[in-house]
Amino acid sequence: EPEVTQTPSHQVTQMGQEVILRCVPISNHLYFYWYRQILGQKVEFLVSFYNNEISEKSEIFDDQFSVERPDGSNFTLKIRSTKLEDSAMYFCASSGLVEQYFGPGTRLTVT
Amino acid sequence: AQSVAQPEDQVNVAEGNPLTVKCTYSVSGNPYLFWYVQYPNRGLQFLLKYITGDNLVKGSYGFEAEFNKSQTSFHLKKPSALVSDSALYFCAVRDKGYGGSQGNLIFGKGTKLSVKP
Repeated sequence: EPEVTQTPSHQVTQMGQEVILRCVPISNHLYFYWYRQILGQKVEFLVSFYNNEISEKSEIFDDQFSVERPDGSNFTLKIRSTKLEDSAMYFCASSGLVEQYFGPGTRLTVT
Repeated sequence: AQSVAQPEDQVNVAEGNPLTVKCTYSVSGNPYLFWYVQYPNRGLQFLLKYITGDNLVKGSYGFEAEFNKSQTSFHLKKPSALVSDSALYFCAVRDKGYGGSQGNLIFGKGTKLSVKP
């Protein structure tokens, strides 16, 4: 069964550093998403991506964040200058017609 | 704005007993509703969805959910709980999409289900 994959599973970085989180969505899906879950809190929407551009973004997705689909298979989330409060689990998701399928997540720890 | 509420932080059930995890929603228009399950250190797994049609929807692992429009609820149920069902369960509603977006998911805070032998 096809699944969404994410790398790395855990990333530790220092405050102010750039990180890139990678995702491979399900191959015939057209809609792509990033969500995050701060420890013990709700899953929150960050951004959606369709037809090679951002279709929606939340207030969390400020200028420090960017997304890209560089090669038609990978979907990346870049945080330009990480802050302590960016520490969270980041989930990639993709969808075809309706339901979204999530990857296993990348745990980002900013020290 | 669309929202979902999960009123219980935790539900405790004995193995073999029926389980219910509650969810209520607030939407404008017809809701697209979902249940996801999260096992420790894992991603969110899709369980089931309601879009239209029969109010009782069946999903993975023997779970089902009942859509009740008058009570704006979408409770998750299972007739006979297993210890392996112990996990975190999230109800979600799909927000209205804009532009080319289908609409992102808005999640409840989650309910921890604990099934004891």
